[in-house]
Amino acid sequence: DAKTTQPNSMESNEEEPVHLPCNHSTISGTDYIHWYRQLPSQGPEYVIHGLTSNVNNRMASLAIAEDRKSSTLILHRATLRDAAVYYCILSTGANIKLTFGKGITLSVRP
Amino acid sequence: GAVVSQHPSRVICKSGTSVKIECRSLDFQATTMFWYRQFPKKSLMLMATSNEGSKATYEQGVEKDKFLINHASLTLSTLTVTSAHPEDSSFYICSAFSGNSVEQFFGPGTRLTVL
Repeated sequence: DAKTTQPNSMESNEEEPVHLPCNHSTISGTDYIHWYRQLPSQGPEYVIHGLTSNVNNRMASLAIAEDRKSSTLILHRATLRDAAVYYCILSTGANIKLTFGKGITLSVRP
Repeated sequence: GAVVSQHPSRVICKSGTSVKIECRSLDFQATTMFWYRQFPKKSLMLMATSNEGSKATYEQGVEKDKFLINHASLTLSTLTVTSAHPEDSSFYICSAFSGNSVEQFFGPGTRLTVL
């Protein structure tokens, strides 16, 4: 599976936008980009996914670089409840297995 | 969104006993379920992929005779940790895939402590 690289951690202020980067330079043409997040002592939660075009949903936006070698998860207004580990994961369309990396730990300051 | 439950949420057992963990998709049928294990401050590690009515596919290094997986229906998969030992203490998480989208729905996890 193609690999993703994320910073270890990021801090943000409450009610400010947060941009979480992810590098995936070896992405193939059929790889989807998924984002999941995990709050402490809970199972992961789906956030968003995309293939080529930018995507928006009620939780976040996903901005995908034109060459698809990187992407950014955007939380438009961070809340304290958004403090979690965010995982950027690639999967080939036909392969639904998810391989979790270390993720990025987001801290939100009141 | 779709809901996946796990039971029990927490279990403490003595070394040598077996523990069964249930994973249920409450409002959809799951063609595939996955079992993960997560040690403290570590990421999730996929243990096995379970398809309804067929044998589970285990990841490399996961003992299939120790971690028995049964996926008897489209809404229920079970993981049995046989002859549990303290090193099996971990957070076990399941996820379910309906096939209608690429999204996987995760259960809340089961924390196993083996004394």
